[in-house]
Amino acid sequence: GAVVSQHPSRVICKSGTSVKIECRSLDFQATTMFWYRQFPKQSLMLMATSNEGSKATYEQGVEKDKFLINHASLTLSTLTVTSAHPEDSSFYICSAWERGFYNEQFFGPGTRLTVL
Amino acid sequence: RKEVEQDPGPFNVPEGATVAFNCTYSNSASQSFFWYRQDCRKEPKLLMSVYSSGNEDGRFTAQLNRASQYISLLIRDSKLSDSATYLCVVYKAAGNKLTFGGGTRVLVKP
Repeated sequence: GAVVSQHPSRVICKSGTSVKIECRSLDFQATTMFWYRQFPKQSLMLMATSNEGSKATYEQGVEKDKFLINHASLTLSTLTVTSAHPEDSSFYICSAWERGFYNEQFFGPGTRLTVL
Repeated sequence: RKEVEQDPGPFNVPEGATVAFNCTYSNSASQSFFWYRQDCRKEPKLLMSVYSSGNEDGRFTAQLNRASQYISLLIRDSKLSDSATYLCVVYKAAGNKLTFGGGTRVLVKP
């Protein structure tokens, strides 16, 4: 299957700082990428859909000014958590869409963010 | 009501036994269905797609019942390595996105 990478895998930052997370599709072009957040013992919650060359579509309740998404190329999407607070500590996972009959999404390994 | 619901478990399963669990979905417009597996602190990985006719992949069997709006997963001859959280996932073309259930935790014990 297709490979999706994320960087960094783990980040610890101070409250008030901004953190950028990169999501790359390594062996295919992804016109659409997705950003999810997962709190402990909970399921993945879709935050936003990132479309190459256009603005991201955010899910209800997700602040677009706090979670900045940029999808500047067919292989890279970035999520920037601005002015991070401890409640933003979570596991952030991206996925990329490889179009096929079964519409499978391939997930990156995730980024664990801890805000102190 | 959540769009995709699962029994969180855990299902404690003796090694070699069979375990089965369901997932219900509320939106009849849902088009495609999947089971993903997620290990602790890792990303989800596709286990199998689910078809109306039912499908089998080795020790795993998945079924879809559109009339009752549920899907099921059965694991035969459970291995210790089957211990994980199994996520029920539903796809709708409208919105072009996946919706995840809360996951069912399975613990296989010797």
